[in-house]
Amino acid sequence: DTEVTQTPKHLVMGMTNKKSLKCEQHMGHRAMYWYKQKAKKPPELMFVYSYEKLSINESVPSRFSPECPNSSLLNLHLHALQPEDSALYLCASSTPRLAGGQGDTQYFGPGTRLTVL
Amino acid sequence: SQQGEEDPQALSIQEGENATMNCSYKTSINNLQWYRQNSGRGLVHLILIRSNEREKHSGRLRVTLDTSKKSSSLLITASRAADTASYFCAPNTGGFKTIFGAGTRLFVKA
Repeated sequence: DTEVTQTPKHLVMGMTNKKSLKCEQHMGHRAMYWYKQKAKKPPELMFVYSYEKLSINESVPSRFSPECPNSSLLNLHLHALQPEDSALYLCASSTPRLAGGQGDTQYFGPGTRLTVL
Repeated sequence: SQQGEEDPQALSIQEGENATMNCSYKTSINNLQWYRQNSGRGLVHLILIRSNEREKHSGRLRVTLDTSKKSSSLLITASRAADTASYFCAPNTGGFKTIFGAGTRLFVKA
């Protein structure tokens, strides 16, 4: 299984809502990533988890809260978002170098298209 | 990691023609990767070339790396309409942080 799955595919939420994005992989990867991508722009790194520990937080506003409950799952909890947070949210996974793997190839999910009203 | 800068920003060709896109970067790297993204979808890893390699092939893809010039190129031969996508390079200096460049938007006309 070389697939990263993301749910939901589309999400529309109001600024007062609380929602979560989910990402799952069963490749045994121990590094997982969240990216945000606006239209016609490259993906921008938000968070990286390595061995279920937060490794990188790219100064993301606290209204985005990541969680890695186990080695296969990555969540992104959303609260009090702004319309400018509307974007495609991409999850990815890779094998960390420490595990002796290649460590560099990231496998991406199809993304969640988020619209904040 | 660091950001790669792709060139050209956009490329329009006829089906069957070759497409070449370039990537430049600023500091020494461990490897450089190329990814493809179809409109509104996730990125797909195409090829990884290590710093001690000069050329690598995968099907219709050919990647070159010139570490002295800090540049890489991706050649797609005999392009197809299905190759229409954005292509990103990702120079990697180790670690988890990948910064993608702006990308090259390729349009292949049938």
